[in-house]
Amino acid sequence: GNSVTQMEGPVTLSEEAFLTINCTYTATGYPSLFWYVQYPGEGLQLLLKATKADDKGSNKGFEATYRKETTSFHLEKGSVQVSDSAVYFCALSDQGNYGGSQGNLIFGKGTKLSVKP
Amino acid sequence: IAGITQAPTSQILAAGRRMTLRCTQDMRHNAMYWYRQDLGLGLRLIHYSNTAGTTGKGEVPDGYSVSRANTDDFPLTLASAVPSQTSVYFCASSATISTDTQYFGPGTRLTVL
Repeated sequence: GNSVTQMEGPVTLSEEAFLTINCTYTATGYPSLFWYVQYPGEGLQLLLKATKADDKGSNKGFEATYRKETTSFHLEKGSVQVSDSAVYFCALSDQGNYGGSQGNLIFGKGTKLSVKP
Repeated sequence: IAGITQAPTSQILAAGRRMTLRCTQDMRHNAMYWYRQDLGLGLRLIHYSNTAGTTGKGEVPDGYSVSRANTDDFPLTLASAVPSQTSVYFCASSATISTDTQYFGPGTRLTVL
């Protein structure tokens, strides 16, 4: 079945460091790919998405490119801030595997990022 | 605009008790979802609803039931809670079942003793 694998955390970085959180997926069909962010004590928020191969999603300085050839959707940011400390979830849409009747998101296990000043 | 609200924020419950987690959205979204979040497991889908009046089972439906009497509300009921249902529960919605982007509520932290 479809699945998402992301790098295990926690990841601890100093402010202004470069961030990469790896995400790879297994899927049939052509899923959309997402990164969600969960700040402490809050629900998940959509950070960015890409709906087809070679699309680049971007938001708040974060970027991720949909790589079909490597089945990857790695999250990157050039210079992290303390306010980026959160848990990041990679996800794919599971549509099309249930006759279009279930808009399920398949999530990775999450990567906790801590940014130190 | 509130988006999605969930109640209660947290709850401690004795095993065997019945509990209903409430979820309300004001975005007029057709599709709604319940997930549970467990450490090391990410989020897993419990139940979903394509539109008012219809519901379906997700990955981990056992021990849970849902109803969708109208567009805005999607309550999740634990008929007889067990300790393994200790988790953080998130409600989400999307414009339609085929719309990718889902919007999440703030979550309910449930502890079953």
